[in-house]
Amino acid sequence: AQKVTQAQTEISVVEKEDVTLDCVYETRDTTYYLFWYKQPPSGELVFLIRRNSFDEQNEISGRYSWNFQKSTSSFNFTITASQVVDSAVYFCALSDLSNTGNQFYFGTGTSLTVIP
Amino acid sequence: DSGVTQTPKHLITATGQRVTLRCSPRSGDLSVYWYQQSLDQGLQFLIQYYNGEERAKGNILERFSAQQFPDLHSELNLSSLELGDSALYFCASSVRQGVTEAFFGQGTRLTVV
Repeated sequence: AQKVTQAQTEISVVEKEDVTLDCVYETRDTTYYLFWYKQPPSGELVFLIRRNSFDEQNEISGRYSWNFQKSTSSFNFTITASQVVDSAVYFCALSDLSNTGNQFYFGTGTSLTVIP
Repeated sequence: DSGVTQTPKHLITATGQRVTLRCSPRSGDLSVYWYQQSLDQGLQFLIQYYNGEERAKGNILERFSAQQFPDLHSELNLSSLELGDSALYFCASSVRQGVTEAFFGQGTRLTVV
């Protein structure tokens, strides 16, 4: 069965600190995709990144970076030099080919508060 | 702005009633998804449509139904509402039916009293 675990429920950091959000996933499929979404206080879900199971290269986008490790079934997200605008709930999600569509299995989210 | 439009933004209704939530996908997107976000269940997939046809079904209650119209907009119908149906309902859309990123609307906050 597919499952995404975000063990960190809440994290608080002081502005300019680095922070890593953990994501561990379970799937029996060899082909799958992982995603991160951000939910700011305004409520909408904002797409951040998609990574497929065949691409273990780490990715960096500005202050954001992602570390994908199949050996540990993890897809962690690091924010460097955090800012107050980074305060949000972050969701990790998994989608695989076990059904005909594109169903996301979301983790329970990590609420990040960046203190000025 | 994701380009996905959901109406209404807020809805308050009584138990036993029926409501319809509407979603307009991003221009060019053929897939529409509905998700429910509640405090106890988190983000749960309800259903996906692709170009008018149902493609995947999640934990959608029998009291709930959805459809996607020829102009690609979608509606989620919730009937015989219960207090536990109070949640944030998201619509999302994507270009294709297979695995890809989806873009979410701002959600409809449903409160059942």
